[in-house]
Amino acid sequence: DQQVKQNSPSLSVQEGRISILNCDYTNSMFDYFLWYKKYPAEGPTFLISISSIKDKNEDGRFTVFLNKSAKHLSLHIVPSQPGDSAVYFCAAMKSLNAGNMLTFGGGTRLMVKP
Amino acid sequence: GAGVSQTPSNKVTEKGKYVELRCDPISGHTALYWYRQSLGQGPEFLIYFQGTGAADDSGLPNDRFFAVRPEGSVSTLKIQRTERGDSAVYLCASSASQGVTDTQYFGPGTRLTVL
Repeated sequence: DQQVKQNSPSLSVQEGRISILNCDYTNSMFDYFLWYKKYPAEGPTFLISISSIKDKNEDGRFTVFLNKSAKHLSLHIVPSQPGDSAVYFCAAMKSLNAGNMLTFGGGTRLMVKP
Repeated sequence: GAGVSQTPSNKVTEKGKYVELRCDPISGHTALYWYRQSLGQGPEFLIYFQGTGAADDSGLPNDRFFAVRPEGSVSTLKIQRTERGDSAVYLCASSASQGVTDTQYFGPGTRLTVL
């Protein structure tokens, strides 16, 4: 059973507009959430994270929102740029677990059109 | 500085053969992780090392999979009697330690194809 789900396999956005990527999780033990970005033939690279004690974290053009009651998080990219075109993975971890292994969603392919 | 490197980048083998996949973590990183990414899916955790010891191997799918990290740096993932279902990209990641905020840095992966 998938504990982290990204229900949109792809998203297409015009350059300059907002991109919103969504993620849902089922395990209430998850308390730390991350977004990774992946280009073809490269490994995932860390983008932004949020602890469950917060509901928002912002870093430049990237903002992550967390709704614990709904077990939902989203990544907002404003303004979107063609270089943002990649696959975005949502990931979650249980901080009480030694090792902090990540549980990933299936990914959303973002295409930003010039 | 140098990131996580993995060799080979691609490996094609025949069903039933033995393969070894290598990971060189970022220098000084004590935590090392192996994940497997099947086509169209997100990475799935396989095993985690803290130093030389496998602290959690709960993600290994069966006893054909084994990993070592004898000197606390380079790690090797070993797969015996490969099956077609083992075909995937095998990703390695390392982090400075096992703290929640210690970013996991991923290598480019090894694409394994079992014919």
